[in-house]
Amino acid sequence: GDSVTQMEGPVTLSEEAFLTINCTYTATGYPSLFWYVQYPGEGLQLLLKATKADDKGSNKGFEATYRKETTSFHLEKGSVQVSDSAVYFCALSTPGGYNKLIFGAGTRLAVHP
Amino acid sequence: DAMVIQNPRYQVTQFGKPVTLSCSQTLNHNVMYWYQQKSSQAPKLLFHYYDKDFNNEADTPDNFQSRRPNTSFCFLDIRSPGLGDAAMYLCATSRDRVTSTDTQYFGPGTRLTVL
Repeated sequence: GDSVTQMEGPVTLSEEAFLTINCTYTATGYPSLFWYVQYPGEGLQLLLKATKADDKGSNKGFEATYRKETTSFHLEKGSVQVSDSAVYFCALSTPGGYNKLIFGAGTRLAVHP
Repeated sequence: DAMVIQNPRYQVTQFGKPVTLSCSQTLNHNVMYWYQQKSSQAPKLLFHYYDKDFNNEADTPDNFQSRRPNTSFCFLDIRSPGLGDAAMYLCATSRDRVTSTDTQYFGPGTRLTVL
């Protein structure tokens, strides 16, 4: 079945460091791909998405490119801030799947001053 | 602000004692979803409503049921909670479900503890 695999955390970085969180997927058809972020005590928020191959989603300095050839959607940010500390979830949904989201296990990011 | 609200944020129940979790939305979305997220695991879809049409995931236990009395509200009922049902329960909405690209909007979740 369809699935998402994320790199395990926690990821600990110093402020202004470069961030990469790896995400790969397995899906039939052509899924849409999402990154959601969960700040402490809050619900999941959409960070960015891409709906077809080679699309790049971006928001708040975060970017991810839909790579069909490697079935990947890695999240990157050039310079992280303490306020980026959160749990990041990669997810997919497939056409005909009533917009159901299939999530990865999440990656906890901790950014220190 | 338009949003998805879940009550209560924390719920403690006893083994076998029925419990109801609540979700409301001001987005006027057609679709409402319930996800279960166990500790350090990915959220997993339990079921969803498209308007009044209920859709259960194949592997959702019979112990879990849902009601949607109107567009704004959706309830998750756990008839006889077991220790394995302790989890965060997330409610989400989307405008439609026809495409795979619609954004889902999540509430803050209800953390359920079973004693």
